[in-house]
Amino acid sequence: DAGVIQSPRHEVTEMGQEVTLRCKPISGHDYLFWYRQTMMRGLELLIYFNNNVPIDDSGMPEDRFSAKMPNASFSTLKIQPSEPRDSAVYFCASSSEYEQYFGPGTRLTVT
Amino acid sequence: KQEVTQIPAALSVPEGENLVLNCSFTDSAIYNLQWFRQDPGKGLTSLLLIQSSQREQTSGRLNASLDKSSGRSTLYIAASQPGDSATYLCAVEVSGGGADGLTFGKGTHLIIQP
Repeated sequence: DAGVIQSPRHEVTEMGQEVTLRCKPISGHDYLFWYRQTMMRGLELLIYFNNNVPIDDSGMPEDRFSAKMPNASFSTLKIQPSEPRDSAVYFCASSSEYEQYFGPGTRLTVT
Repeated sequence: KQEVTQIPAALSVPEGENLVLNCSFTDSAIYNLQWFRQDPGKGLTSLLLIQSSQREQTSGRLNASLDKSSGRSTLYIAASQPGDSATYLCAVEVSGGGADGLTFGKGTHLIIQP
């Protein structure tokens, strides 16, 4: 398996623009997680899905953030409108039961 | 709310030394604990996972221990090498079966001097 795949790897956008991050989990994994990493706050859980259903979105910062998982092999994290404080590395991870496997991340810069 | 603390925040040692990284967590009701490695600008690589019923796990030169009752885990690296230089992250999962996200510490930035 190719592991967790994320795209794009880097995204630079202007404040106010819509940003969509994409994730393909490892085949057969039924849990998918979105995390955000910043220097100040470290790694934080944003939302996770089980069998494509959102289970806990309490980590989503505000209504500007939304996530979907339309099928078992694809998820998106959308920020609309984006703000400079959203600049961070966004990781997607998947698991089947125990270990979580992380993707390479998307480095988002909002100017 | 679960909080995870890692000490030290940074560590620099000469090659060949054995070293210990520490992780503590405030709520002992965890399901498992996972140690990760993160290289600059890269994603996270899982090193070891210890389930709550286990005391330790070993992989090559790495050994991780878990003391749930005291809320502590250590990662022992034997005969350190320059290639071990990275940030090491500790994370705990509260629920079982992958049914919860991980709570991470801020990491220990490790530098092994050649």
